[in-house]
Amino acid sequence: AQSVTQLDSQVPVFEEAPVELRCNYSSSVSVYLFWYVQYPNQGLQLLLKYLSGSTLVKGINGFEAEFNKSQTSFHLRKPSVHISDTAEYFCAVTLTSGSRLTFGEGTQLTVNP
Amino acid sequence: DAGVIQSPRHEVTEMGQEVTLRCKPISGHNSLFWYRQTMMRGLELLIYFNNNVPIDDSGMPEDRFSAKMPNASFSTLKIQPSEPRDSAVYFCASSSMSNQPQHFGDGTRLSIL
Repeated sequence: AQSVTQLDSQVPVFEEAPVELRCNYSSSVSVYLFWYVQYPNQGLQLLLKYLSGSTLVKGINGFEAEFNKSQTSFHLRKPSVHISDTAEYFCAVTLTSGSRLTFGEGTQLTVNP
Repeated sequence: DAGVIQSPRHEVTEMGQEVTLRCKPISGHNSLFWYRQTMMRGLELLIYFNNNVPIDDSGMPEDRFSAKMPNASFSTLKIQPSEPRDSAVYFCASSSMSNQPQHFGDGTRLSIL
């Protein structure tokens, strides 16, 4: 079975600073990977996805993530964050052969002025 | 395109009462998921359906919880009798297939007094 670990439960940063939210997964077979964002009092929204092809994936709001198969990681990055990026971010994994998504525990990103 | 629609958005009721949460998935999506989110436990998958058939209900807390999907455009999650510890935000999500990106509704905030 697949699993995913988000290494940081909370990440505080200052506005305009770069940020990296870490995600590692465990699976013996091929996977699809996703990042979701949840703003307060809202549902989860898809930020970006890796299904195949280029290992560098660009998503909405200036975020990007890199799939690293050798390190089984899918870290999320943004070069310069805004106050409005304050939210909870979830990494998710599933098998290419077909299974439901497994979500990580979430990382609360707080952007301070 | 209409997204996943959940109703009600908020529900406040007294313990012992029956609670019914409703979900309309995105048209054409074959997989439907029910999640519960709390501060203590985070995001938990309760049950999911493929083509209206329950595939995995191992996350359903106990017999007080039941879910149905009578057709491709409607699902319910019922709690009977409700207890204060059931207070949470309940999300419904749908996807074209179980291993494809899920689209979340805005959730139902349930408070059991």
